[in-house]
Amino acid sequence: GNSVTQMEGPVTLSEEAFLTINCTYTATGYPSLFWYVQYPGEGLQLLLKATKADDKGSNKGFEATYRKETTSFHLEKGSVQVSDSAVYFCALGRMGAGNNRKLIWGLGTSLAVNP
Amino acid sequence: DTGVSQDPRHKITKRGQNVTFRCDPISEHNRLYWYRQTLGQGPEFLTYFQNEAQLEKSRLLSDRFSAERPKGSFSTLEIQRTEQGDSAMYLCASSLGDRTQETQYFGPGTRLLVL
Repeated sequence: GNSVTQMEGPVTLSEEAFLTINCTYTATGYPSLFWYVQYPGEGLQLLLKATKADDKGSNKGFEATYRKETTSFHLEKGSVQVSDSAVYFCALGRMGAGNNRKLIWGLGTSLAVNP
Repeated sequence: DTGVSQDPRHKITKRGQNVTFRCDPISEHNRLYWYRQTLGQGPEFLTYFQNEAQLEKSRLLSDRFSAERPKGSFSTLEIQRTEQGDSAMYLCASSLGDRTQETQYFGPGTRLLVL
């Protein structure tokens, strides 16, 4: 079956530190991969996505590369800010023909960035 | 704002009561999803509509749960005879289902507390 395993949190960093949040997946076929972010008191927002192997998604200084050979989609940012404090979710989903459209989610990784 | 909206944002009810939540998707989106999220967990898929047709239901969706999307626009999720275990955040998402783009956009959620 399909599943997502995400690095456990919480992660605490100082401002301007390098961030990596690991995400690996198990899936049949060729899923799309997503990172969503949930800021305190807000809903889930798409951060970035990749739809095929070797694609790199990027947004707001965050990047993640779809690695089929290692079934991974690790989230990275070179220099975090206090405003990046949030919970980050890795998810996989289906695109294209077929009825199975749901997203399969990791448990989320809480990030706290201290000034 | 033309994002996904949900109503109410918060609901407190007594065990055994019925509750109904509403979701208004982004207007041109033909696909609509319901998820449930409990504290410290990622969202779990509940059900999916394409236009007015309910195409997939999770086994999590017991007989007490029913969802509708009568005109292919807004959707309602009803929980009958609520139980304390139903306490969670109920999330709605919508997407434009074509073959190249299917990002799900989430509403702010309805937080349910069953006493």
